Amino acid sequence: KQEVTQIPAALSVPEGENLVLNCSFTDSAIYNLQWFRQDPGKGLTSLLLIQSSQREQTSGRLNASLDKSSGRSTLYIAASQPGDSATYLCAVRGGGSEKLVFGKGTKLTVNP
Amino acid sequence: SQTIHQWPATLVQPVGSPLSLECTVEGTSNPNLYWYRQAAGRGLQLLFYSVGIGQISSEVPQNLSASRPQDRQFILSSKKLLLSDSGFYLCAWSADRDHEQYFGPGTRLTVT
Repeated sequence: KQEVTQIPAALSVPEGENLVLNCSFTDSAIYNLQWFRQDPGKGLTSLLLIQSSQREQTSGRLNASLDKSSGRSTLYIAASQPGDSATYLCAVRGGGSEKLVFGKGTKLTVNP
Repeated sequence: SQTIHQWPATLVQPVGSPLSLECTVEGTSNPNLYWYRQAAGRGLQLLFYSVGIGQISSEVPQNLSASRPQDRQFILSSKKLLLSDSGFYLCAWSADRDHEQYFGPGTRLTVT
């Protein structure tokens, strides 16, 4: 059974800092991995999708990496801004499955 | 561009009452559709998914059911709500398993 863990559960940083969010998964036979952000009381916003054959994806100040063999992904946020404050969720899809398995998220607070 | 709608946004229902939540997607055809529940302190849990009209797969045995009467319409129902059904219900769509999942704004359900 696939399990996804995100550490830390919460992170507080000053504005302008570069930061890394971590995601680990127990079964390396994944099809793809997706990072989302969720603002309080809102739905999820897709940030990046990495296919199992890819090592990283970039979008603006965000860079996500994937190391399938070690069961890890990181989300790098450059030059953080207060608007980046949200909960960041990692989800993996197993091969042959429609199911996304989610971690519980990292709550990020960027202080002005 | 594609848009996903959910209604109602908020719902308070007594135990034992019926439930109907609706999700519609615009701007795409034959999407994969998903219902998730996010309960306090727990991660997102996939409840149902559908790859076509009338095709429903259930991930978690419970007193909820789902239907897909039209290509871009997905409905979550219950005949009798339980207290444990309280939570944040999210609908999502994707073109297929190779592509990102996109989420709706969610419905906050409180069962009293």
